[in-house]
Amino acid sequence: SSELTQDPAVSVALGQTVTITCQGDSLRSSYGSWYQQKSGQAPILVMYGKDNRASGIPDRFSGYSSGDTASLTITGTQAEDEADYYCQTRDDSDNHRVVFGGGTKLTVL
Amino acid sequence: VQLVESGGTWVQPGKSLRLSCAASGFTFDDYAMHWVRQAPGRGLEWVAGITWDGGVMDYAASVKGRFTISRDSARNSLFLQMQSLTRADTGLYFCVKDILVAANRWGAFEIWGPGTMVTVSS
Repeated sequence: SSELTQDPAVSVALGQTVTITCQGDSLRSSYGSWYQQKSGQAPILVMYGKDNRASGIPDRFSGYSSGDTASLTITGTQAEDEADYYCQTRDDSDNHRVVFGGGTKLTVL
Repeated sequence: VQLVESGGTWVQPGKSLRLSCAASGFTFDDYAMHWVRQAPGRGLEWVAGITWDGGVMDYAASVKGRFTISRDSARNSLFLQMQSLTRADTGLYFCVKDILVAANRWGAFEIWGPGTMVTVSS
């Protein structure tokens, strides 16, 4: 299957830790990537590969993958982290196709 | 590093449209490129990708046979030719640079342009 499933919405108190998850069979064979999209802006790459942080991304962001699940953790969440987060990976049935998760809207309380 | 899309506009169903993306600040010939779209209020959808050398092009099932991705190294530009447009093709189209150098597989989507809006409506 080429689908990636994310919780539609997650909330976290300011300064606390939150984990956003992404589940799909394609993640068993390929690492996922994570993107942050703030309202009215283009997405930016946050995490990729096994646990690589993209350029300019604060170290409060981290990634982990096991089996069919990838996760993005924000430790000490800041107000500016409020955004939509999307996971993405290669389609396991066709490595030249790409699949995105449906996105998780993170609200910082 | 900068990507700037253009060509988005309002178009009637069944018509064609060509999107362009001007790349600067990196060696365009070294990287795969992609188009990703986002319908209003919806999530991201990969549309098409082309390898660094133009040798491999692939498409989402929803656009295969109607859309063609291409690149021009002389102009540092990426294109998306769209035909037989339907209302389902409405959305913001992003030009995206892959993170891998001279690879024949897709990597993470490292740099995104601001997008160009395509509206398909009668």
